[in-house]
Amino acid sequence: GENVEQHPSTLSVQEGDSAVIKCTYSDSASNYFPWYKQELGKRPQLIIDIRSNVGEKKDQRIAVTLNKTAKHFSLHITETQPEDSAVYFCAARGNQFYFGTGTSLTVIP
Amino acid sequence: EPEVTQTPSHQVTQMGQEVILRCVPISNHLYFYWYRQILGQKVEFLVSFYNNEISEKSEIFDDQFSVERPDGSNFTLKIRSTKLEDSAMYFCASSKSRDRINEQYFGPGTRLTVT
Repeated sequence: GENVEQHPSTLSVQEGDSAVIKCTYSDSASNYFPWYKQELGKRPQLIIDIRSNVGEKKDQRIAVTLNKTAKHFSLHITETQPEDSAVYFCAARGNQFYFGTGTSLTVIP
Repeated sequence: EPEVTQTPSHQVTQMGQEVILRCVPISNHLYFYWYRQILGQKVEFLVSFYNNEISEKSEIFDDQFSVERPDGSNFTLKIRSTKLEDSAMYFCASSKSRDRINEQYFGPGTRLTVT
């Protein structure tokens, strides 16, 4: 089955700096890669996704890159704000959704 | 904007008891999912459901678990004989389609506490 690894597990950045979270996957058949933001005690919310036929996607301060050859994809958040503080999960979709272990992002005002 | 809803928000049960967690997916969605998240850990896939049958299930989804769509709106997860390690947040999700790779929308979750 798929194995999704996510790094780092915790990340602290100063407000205004950029944050980068990286994930790798093992199943070359995976073709959809969403990123979820989960605030404490709340549901995961989709913030951005990328499909396997696309290398990069951007939505305002958030971007995702995908390298299919290397089987890794990354989330980039620019100009971070305190409200970006949350746990971020990557996921890879083959037959099922497999989630990464999460990154706890803290943006320090 | 339509949302996935789940009831109850918190369920406390004794070990060995049966629990039923309820979900109402978004009305025009066709694929339904259950996930589990043990406190502080990642989200884990349990099962997907389409056309009144299970599409995929993980190794976590053993004989103690079952899913059902008893009517046109509800989607339920039953745990027959709960164990302490079943304590977790259970999320329901739905999507329009699997093949077209549409995004999943998560419900708010049910926190299950087994004592």
